[in-house]
Amino acid sequence: DAGVIQSPRHEVTEMGQEVTLRCKPISGHNSLFWYRQTMMRGLELLIYFNNNVPIDDSGMPEDRFSAKMPNASFSTLKIQPSEPRDSAVYFCASSLAGSGGGFFGPGTRLTVL
Amino acid sequence: RKEVEQDPGPFNVPEGATVAFNCTYSNSASQSFFWYRQDCRKEPKLLMSVYSSGNEDGRFTAQLNRASQYISLLIRDSKLSDSATYLCVVKTISGNTPLVFGKGTRLSVIA
Repeated sequence: DAGVIQSPRHEVTEMGQEVTLRCKPISGHNSLFWYRQTMMRGLELLIYFNNNVPIDDSGMPEDRFSAKMPNASFSTLKIQPSEPRDSAVYFCASSLAGSGGGFFGPGTRLTVL
Repeated sequence: RKEVEQDPGPFNVPEGATVAFNCTYSNSASQSFFWYRQDCRKEPKLLMSVYSSGNEDGRFTAQLNRASQYISLLIRDSKLSDSATYLCVVKTISGNTPLVFGKGTRLSVIA
């Protein structure tokens, strides 16, 4: 059974470029979470969706960040324009209501030069 | 004060040792508690949930003290494969709300 799928796994881009990260949650899960992890700040929640609806985006650092979930099996996180301080590992996680913990994808390692 | 605080370590222990990690959380309304494990350059994975009565899974024992807002993880008979970062995780509201992560405690088990 496939877990959470993220693409790309690695992304290297130049400052000012647009970056789009993709996530496919576990089939049947109705919540999706985007996290960012850095050495300095640990794992931080950026935004989460319940039943495809954004519930809390207070963790999105700036207007340069946006996320969408057009259907239950796909979500994107876009950074435009990207900056070097956006370099981090971006994780997508999904869960089912009442299940407790969440399941993480393998992450996208983003480097902005 | 951070929502979830952990000693970052590293804890360097020999194989076979018993090691304990502690974690404190600031929100008394927190309802669910977990320990996640994260290997280097991998995603976090659920290790175990933490219940008020305490729970055990093989060599791992988790305890929760709601009065002190304190969670612990005990690993007995450490194996080399236990080397990882252990993340203390709290969920404030039931249902599909996000997990709040501590920054993790790094464990290295040495032969």
